[in-house]
Amino acid sequence: DAGITQSPRHKVTETGTPVTLRCHQTENHRYMYWYRQDPGHGLRLIHYSYGVKDTDKGEVSDGYSVSRSKTEDFLLTLESATSSQTSVYFCAIRGLAGNNEQFFGPGTRLTVL
Amino acid sequence: DQQVKQNSPSLSVQEGRISILNCDYTNSMFDYFLWYKKYPAEGPTFLISISSIKDKNEDGRFTVFLNKSAKHLSLHIVPSQPGDSAVYFCAATLGTSYDKVIFGPGTSLSVIP
Repeated sequence: DAGITQSPRHKVTETGTPVTLRCHQTENHRYMYWYRQDPGHGLRLIHYSYGVKDTDKGEVSDGYSVSRSKTEDFLLTLESATSSQTSVYFCAIRGLAGNNEQFFGPGTRLTVL
Repeated sequence: DQQVKQNSPSLSVQEGRISILNCDYTNSMFDYFLWYKKYPAEGPTFLISISSIKDKNEDGRFTVFLNKSAKHLSLHIVPSQPGDSAVYFCAATLGTSYDKVIFGPGTSLSVIP
């Protein structure tokens, strides 16, 4: 158990509203990631962080922003939610074994109506 | 354009037989490959990995084979068990400073008792 929690686990919201998803880790890992999982696409990287206040974009970053003010928390914000952002969102941390292994949280299922 | 491809969305195998999951990639610069397993309503979990300097890695019932010239890797599960029924994601990394991981779309394996 890599000590990763995500909140909320489920959320239904309306188009145009802002949404923030939280990822919390207890392992003090430097690297954290946000992915979305959609049928036929697998897991696609939204944003990642390599330290407090250090973040960068992934392959599907449009419409998303992130913040990391503490090592243990990585927040993903949908500025103005759209139906295309209905997805399952996973947070991950990178392990220390040197094999690029990532440990994933349980996921947040987001529905945008 | 997907850099990591898993062309079989699903696979059914009889319990006790071999399961072979395939993965193809397009970027010859990928230097590390991983397989993840995912059960419904859970985050993916790391299964096995292989460096590009090797052509085989074994861990119990799981073996990953890498053919760099063909840009192809495969995961063999022998013998297959009902508990292996899950979605399997192939992933590759470029070994950049922040080690972003590119995932394939996944293959759903069903092991029939």
